[in-house]
Amino acid sequence: ILNVEQSPQSLHVQEGDSTNFTCSFPSSNFYALHWYRWETAKSPEALFVMTLNGDEKKKGRISATLNTKEGYSYLYIKGSQPEDSATYLCASRSFQGAQKLVFGQGTRLTINP
Amino acid sequence: DGGITQSPKYLFRKEGQNVTLSCEQNLNHDAMYWYRQDPGQGLRLIYYSQIVNDFQKGDIAEGYSVSREKKESFPLTVTSAQKNPTAFYLCASTGGLAGQPSGDEQFFGPGTRLTVL
Repeated sequence: ILNVEQSPQSLHVQEGDSTNFTCSFPSSNFYALHWYRWETAKSPEALFVMTLNGDEKKKGRISATLNTKEGYSYLYIKGSQPEDSATYLCASRSFQGAQKLVFGQGTRLTINP
Repeated sequence: DGGITQSPKYLFRKEGQNVTLSCEQNLNHDAMYWYRQDPGQGLRLIYYSQIVNDFQKGDIAEGYSVSREKKESFPLTVTSAQKNPTAFYLCASTGGLAGQPSGDEQFFGPGTRLTVL
């Protein structure tokens, strides 16, 4: 079983501040890294799928980077807004695996107005 | 609208009873998944199916069973053999191009919260 770890487990940030959190994953046989946002009372929604070392993806104020050699990805949120409050999940897929993802435990982000 | 539906939203079961959770999708996706979430933990894979009439055990399949008789449907049965069934259950599907990483992007249903009394 792949071991995907996220840190911190929870985070409180003041509105307007920027923040970031980490996902670490086994670098051997890496295939793809996913980020999802899961708002309370809603379904998780995909943010990014990343595959190449050095990949950077951006969606509005949210961006992510990927380092496949050392096995980590950062998610950044610039100028946090209350609507950014959610649990952010990362998930990894390896070449050896079937078409399935291994999820981290998530980072629960709360934006304080 | 295309999407994934799960029913019921809340489910209560007496100890020793089997219960079946429904998952239906109209996205024409080939692969479907069942996950379980417990407090403080990530999503753990119970079963998945990449094609009709075929399914594979995930990391925590003991005490669960599934079927995939139709492309649109992937019901999960929580049997009495599952020692600790109280949890939140999420169903998901993927349907992108085979061999493309973006094809792994998962679309999730709203979940079913199962409580064993």
